[in-house]
Amino acid sequence: KQEVTQIPAALSVPEGENLVLNCSFTDSAIYNLQWFRQDPGKGLTSLLLIQSSQREQTSGRLNASLDKSSGRSTLYIAASQPGDSATYLCAVQAGGTSYGKLTFGQGTILTVHP
Amino acid sequence: GAGVSQSPSNKVTEKGKDVELRCDPISGHTALYWYRQRLGQGLEFLIYFQGNSAPDKSGLPSDRFSAERTGESVSTLTIQRTQQEDSAVYLCASSRGVYLNQPQHFGDGTRLSIL
Repeated sequence: KQEVTQIPAALSVPEGENLVLNCSFTDSAIYNLQWFRQDPGKGLTSLLLIQSSQREQTSGRLNASLDKSSGRSTLYIAASQPGDSATYLCAVQAGGTSYGKLTFGQGTILTVHP
Repeated sequence: GAGVSQSPSNKVTEKGKDVELRCDPISGHTALYWYRQRLGQGLEFLIYFQGNSAPDKSGLPSDRFSAERTGESVSTLTIQRTQQEDSAVYLCASSRGVYLNQPQHFGDGTRLSIL
């Protein structure tokens, strides 16, 4: 059974800092890994998707890496801003017979203070 | 264009009643997914559709839960004889296709409260 763990559970940083969020998963037979953000009372917003054959993806100030063999991914946020405050979720999409299933971590609650 | 739309946004009902939750995916998205998010817990996969077919129903918590999709468009999640543990936010997502390595786009969810 796939399990996804995110560390830290919560993070508070001053504006302008670079930060790293960590995600690990137990079963390396994944189709892709996705990072989302969730604002209070809202659904999830897709940030980055890394295919199983890729090592990293970048979008603006965000960079996500994937090491499938070791079951790890990191999300790097450069020059953090108060608007980045949200819960960040990592999810892996299964291969095999459960293609459509995303397994989520518990999330990292990020607070960026001015 | 329009995103994933879910209705109602909030639903309060008494224990034992049936409820029906609706999801309108992004136009042209052939894959549709349902998740549940209980207070203080992570997102829990319920079911997904590729077209109108549901290849994996393993996440449905009990036989009180059912889902259907018609016209490769709108989907409904039905919970019969609701219990208090069914209280949660039910999230729907859609994507261009399950096998296309495309991100899932989420609606804002239906917050279900069982009294």
